[in-house]
Amino acid sequence: EAGVTQFPSHSVIEKGQTVTLRCDPISGHDNLYWYRRVMGKEIKFLLHFVKESKQDESGMPNNRFLAERTGGTYSTLKVQPAELEDSGVYFCASSQGRDRLYEQYFGPGTRLTVT
Amino acid sequence: QKEVEQDPGPLSVPEGAIVSLNCTYSNSAFQYFMWYRQYSRKGPELLMYTYSSGNKEDGRFTAQVDKSSKYISLFIRDSQPSDSATYLCAPMNTGFQKLVFGTGTRLLVSP
Repeated sequence: EAGVTQFPSHSVIEKGQTVTLRCDPISGHDNLYWYRRVMGKEIKFLLHFVKESKQDESGMPNNRFLAERTGGTYSTLKVQPAELEDSGVYFCASSQGRDRLYEQYFGPGTRLTVT
Repeated sequence: QKEVEQDPGPLSVPEGAIVSLNCTYSNSAFQYFMWYRQYSRKGPELLMYTYSSGNKEDGRFTAQVDKSSKYISLFIRDSQPSDSATYLCAPMNTGFQKLVFGTGTRLLVSP
């Protein structure tokens, strides 16, 4: 069974540009999460989807970040316009239904560098 | 104050040593306590979890939670060079379903 995949693995963009990150969860996992780690800090929660609905977006830093999950399958995270402080590693994770929600499986991450 | 405190290390031990990794937390609502292992340039890998207080053993790994003191531990027996990685504790309040990570402890096991 394939794990969580993320694309691209690395993105370098200039301040003010737009970047879209993609996450494909494990097949059959209704729950999808986005986290990020900025330099020197701990990994922090951004938001949680249950199927196509946003369950919790309390960790989204501001309205420059937009997450979508079309049809309850893959998800995208768009940053527009990107700022220098957005640099970091963005992780996606997925888990099964309510009985296994604590078993979150992470993808390899997308390393975003904003110059 | 951070919700989860973890010594960043690095912690250097010889092969075969018993390793003790620890975290403290402040939120008494945490109910699940996960340990993740992360190799360089990879995503966190779920090692094991504990529900509420108590111990859980899986091979060479033992996870321990003391909710009264808000203290989380991971013990690794007979450590191997392949155990060299960053270990992250990540408790969760099931009401919110989001992991709250510590900074991670970098472990180096020398042959």
